[in-house]
Formats: sequence, C-alpha cells, structure tokens
Amino acid sequence: DIVMTQTPSSQAVSAGEKVTMSCKSSQSLLYSGDQKNYLAWYQQKPGQSPKLLIYLASTRESGVPDRFIGSGSGTDFTLTISSVQAEDLADYYCQQHYSYPYTFGAGTKLELK
Amino acid sequence: QVQLKESGPGLVQPSQTLSLTCTVSGFSLTSYNVHWVRQPPGKGLEWMGVIWSGGNTDYNSALKPRLSISRDTSKSQVFLTMNSLQTEDTGIYYCNRNSVYWGQGVMVTVSS
Repeated sequence: DIVMTQTPSSQAVSAGEKVTMSCKSSQSLLYSGDQKNYLAWYQQKPGQSPKLLIYLASTRESGVPDRFIGSGSGTDFTLTISSVQAEDLADYYCQQHYSYPYTFGAGTKLELK
Repeated sequence: QVQLKESGPGLVQPSQTLSLTCTVSGFSLTSYNVHWVRQPPGKGLEWMGVIWSGGNTDYNSALKPRLSISRDTSKSQVFLTMNSLQTEDTGIYYCNRNSVYWGQGVMVTVSS
C-alpha cells in the first residue's frame, strides 16, 4: 500500500497569512501513461463531510476559491492557501488515487493563532 | 441533483455484522463509481473500498477479509457489509461518488 505522510499535523495561522502544508507519498503518483499525478486534497470542517478541493495534484474542483493552490509531482506535494480566511480553518487531507487502496494522509489541522 | 445518503443501525454489538446502505439519486450506479470511507471519532479518514460502475469491487487490503460491497442498480442503492466488528470500527461511515459528492455520513457505534 502507498503510505501518505502529511506535515505538519497542525498549524496555527492568522487571517491573511500564506499557508503551506505538505503531503509525501511512499511511491510516485505520476502515471507514465498520461503524465498526471493522481493526488487529491480535501477540506473537512467539524461535523461536515469532506469536500474535494484539488484533484490531479493541481486542478481546482469547480467552485473552489483560487486562493487554494495545489502543486508538486512524483512523491512530493503541497497545498498552499495564499491568504487564509476564517472559513478556511479546518482539517486538510491528501489522498492518492494512483493505486488501490486509495490511502489518505493523517491530515493537517489549521487552527487560529 | 446528485445526492447520496447513508443509512444503517447506529449501534452494533461486538463480533456482529454491520450492514449499511447508500441510497443515491441524480445519477446512475452503472455510470459512476461509489466509494466508502470511514472516520473514527477525532481521527482521520480511511478509504474502505469501491464498487465500480461496471460492478467490480476493490477493497482496503486491511479490511478485505471481512468487508463486502454490493449494489442494487434498480433501487439505486449500494451496500456495505462488514463482519466481526470490534470497538475500533466505531466511527462515521461515508459513501461518495468519485470523491466529489459525499453523503452526510452515518455514525456507527460498536458496543455491548
């Protein structure tokens, strides 16, 4: 199984700050057939279902604000929030869609500083 | 519009079998894959398995010995069955369509 490692586990932020969080996979998520990275990012707020933010490492899901930016390739990926808003305080998870089982990282919790 | 809704017993006794239903609307199960994901209280997400649009399935290798996913396309329902439940199986169980559309989740508590 592919192991997904997210860092940090939690991060205290202030509104307006730029935030970055990391997701590393134990093997490459770059599929040679189409040169795409099969990595997704989700946001989960307390009491809510996860929400897909980013797929294929860098493609924003419809309706997701452009302050959410996914980047990276191979085994190293980053989710950047260019200017954190109060409504962005949540848990963030990465998940690989390269091979079954589709494993998740343990998550990064964004908290208010 | 696309909707998914999980249902099932809130309380299951240890060693018993869990049966959950994901009822979908707004799309056909023969056109989209449906995944199951669970989340223990206060912890992260765990992918459990998927039933493909063609009816095949794939499972989390750790759960595969006791997990089964099936469907009834005429009723737009996907079923999750897991046996030999233990307390660590307590959590919220979600179904989703290709990661974009999620149900609200159903809380399952394993306790005597």
